[in-house]
Amino acid sequence: SQELEQSPQSLIVQEGKNLTINCTSSKTLYGLYWYKQKYGEGLIFLMMLQKGGEEKSHEKITAKLDEKKQQSSLHITASQPSHAGIYLCGALQGYNFNKFYFGSGTKLNVKP
Amino acid sequence: DTGVSQNPRHKITKRGQNVTFRCDPISEHNRLYWYRQTLGQGPEFLTYFQNEAQLEKSRLLSDRFSAERPKGSFSTLEIQRTEQGDSAMYLCASSSRTGLAGANVLTFGAGSRLTVL
Repeated sequence: SQELEQSPQSLIVQEGKNLTINCTSSKTLYGLYWYKQKYGEGLIFLMMLQKGGEEKSHEKITAKLDEKKQQSSLHITASQPSHAGIYLCGALQGYNFNKFYFGSGTKLNVKP
Repeated sequence: DTGVSQNPRHKITKRGQNVTFRCDPISEHNRLYWYRQTLGQGPEFLTYFQNEAQLEKSRLLSDRFSAERPKGSFSTLEIQRTEQGDSAMYLCASSSRTGLAGANVLTFGAGSRLTVL
């Protein structure tokens, strides 16, 4: 089965610093989704990438899917305390792409 | 539509009791997913419905777990004879995918937290 590995597992940064989270797949990705989760709450959709080399931005968060479509990075510029949470990458798997599964997440803390 | 709704938000029960969680998806979404999440882990896939049909079921879903989606609307997840290892957040999500490999953006509910004493 396909696996999604995220790195780092956790991250503490000073407010204003940039940071990058990586998501690596063992197989070709046919769609890579980034979600954010605040502690103890549901997941909030951030962005979806489908094409190799695709890059999307939302406010200070940029995500990119590499050309070979097996790795994605999420970059936050000038981090703020509101960016704190757990970042999860997700992808489709299985016959007819029915199953949607996640990496183990990256826990981000931003120190004011 | 106010999004995906899950009830109850919190449930504390004694080992051996049965619990049921309900998920009300976004009305026009035909796909519904259940996940389990424990502390420090990403959500683990449990099961998936397309309309009223349960099309995929994880090996994580033991015989004590059952999920239904009558009439393709709301869904219930029942856990019988709960064990302490069942303590987790149970997340529900719904989507309406376009095309075979098209976008499948899942919208999540806030989750139902289960504590088994």
